[in-house]
Amino acid sequence: AQSVAQPEDQVNVAEGNPLTVKCTYSVSGNPYLFWYVQYPNRGLQFLLKYITGDNLVKGSYGFEAEFNKSQTSFHLKKPSALVSDSALYFCAVRDSGGYQKVTFGTGTKLQVIP
Amino acid sequence: NAGVTQTPKFQVLKTGQSMTLQCAQDMNHEYMSWYRQDPGMGLRLIHYSVGAGITDQGEVPNGYNVSRSTTEDFPLRLLSAAPSQTSVYFCASSPRTATNEKLFFGSGTQLSVL
Repeated sequence: AQSVAQPEDQVNVAEGNPLTVKCTYSVSGNPYLFWYVQYPNRGLQFLLKYITGDNLVKGSYGFEAEFNKSQTSFHLKKPSALVSDSALYFCAVRDSGGYQKVTFGTGTKLQVIP
Repeated sequence: NAGVTQTPKFQVLKTGQSMTLQCAQDMNHEYMSWYRQDPGMGLRLIHYSVGAGITDQGEVPNGYNVSRSTTEDFPLRLLSAAPSQTSVYFCASSPRTATNEKLFFGSGTQLSVL
């Protein structure tokens, strides 16, 4: 069975500082990895994905994520945090052989402090 | 472009009542799914469909039924509501090609079962 772990319930970072939100995964085949963001009282929005190719993927709003196969990780990063980045972030995974049966992590609340 | 539309936005049920959560998408996506979001649990997959006439169970299917008679619609039926089904429900759709793959989410239905 595939699974995702987000070890931090909340991450606090000062505005302008770099941020990292951690994610590790487990799948039986090659992983398709995703990050989504949820603002209060809204549905989730897609940020970025890794399917194949370059281990560093860039996404919306200046976010990027690094795929590390040996550590089975897909951490979300941003060089300089904005207060508007404060939201709930979800990592997700599916097996490349699966029928888009996507499994989500429990989410990490990002708080950017002015 | 409406995207994924969920109705209703809020619903209160009494234990034992039945109801249908509606989901419609206008993007001609083959893949549709239902998730429930609970605090500390993240998003859990209830049911999903890879095309009209094809549905399958996700992680937490008990107490829920689905059908997919058209590409556009994917209703979720609660047969006999229980307090444990109090949650926020999200419908999502996705194109079936890896290069375009990402989930588009509706704005959610907040359900309370008393």
